[in-house]
Amino acid sequence: NAGVTQTPKFQVLKTGQSMTLQCAQDMNHNSMYWYRQDPGMGLRLIYYSASEGTTDKGEVPNGYNVSRLNKREFSLRLESAAPSQTSVYFCASRHTDTQYFGPGTRLTVL
Amino acid sequence: QKEVEQNSGPLSVPEGAIASLNCTYSDRGSQSFFWYRQYSGKSPELIMFIYSNGDKEDGRFTAQLNKASQYVSLLIRDSQPSDSATYLCAVNPTGGSNYKLTFGKGTLLTVNP
Repeated sequence: NAGVTQTPKFQVLKTGQSMTLQCAQDMNHNSMYWYRQDPGMGLRLIYYSASEGTTDKGEVPNGYNVSRLNKREFSLRLESAAPSQTSVYFCASRHTDTQYFGPGTRLTVL
Repeated sequence: QKEVEQNSGPLSVPEGAIASLNCTYSDRGSQSFFWYRQYSGKSPELIMFIYSNGDKEDGRFTAQLNKASQYVSLLIRDSQPSDSATYLCAVNPTGGSNYKLTFGKGTLLTVNP
């Protein structure tokens, strides 16, 4: 039982490049979330998925797209990376009141 | 805009003391409140949640909620060096059946041996 896994752990991009951050959970949870965490800013919700095939915007969705193709996986895509998207990205899944976070992806955009 | 405010700290307490972490929120209709702990370089993990006014205790941790004052706090009794971490307050806003939480910026706690 791995919980929530994220790949990659680290990534460096150049401005304008695209990439997809992967997230998977093996706890059979319906709800999944993508957050970003910047120094001094706390966690901010990017996108949310209540179930397979459904997604909803969070507080800071601009510049991102998501895909929830099945119950296990929820991916976050940056189509044209910008330096402002340099951050640590956390995926989480939820069961009742508890959100379980993955280990995070540290992304740097040059 | 719904806001959650925390004192960024750092809050420094000696080992064995009580650490008190505070949080205020702007959305008066918020229904549920969470405290997460985040060690440096790690992901957040849930410590406690509270729904009703008053105190909720779990081991050395006590969460306190006052909805009239829009205030939630976390007390850590007999603080240990292993409690040194950033503590994040999170609020589930009005009508929040999807738990799209709003987080505070976190308070850094240091427990000195």
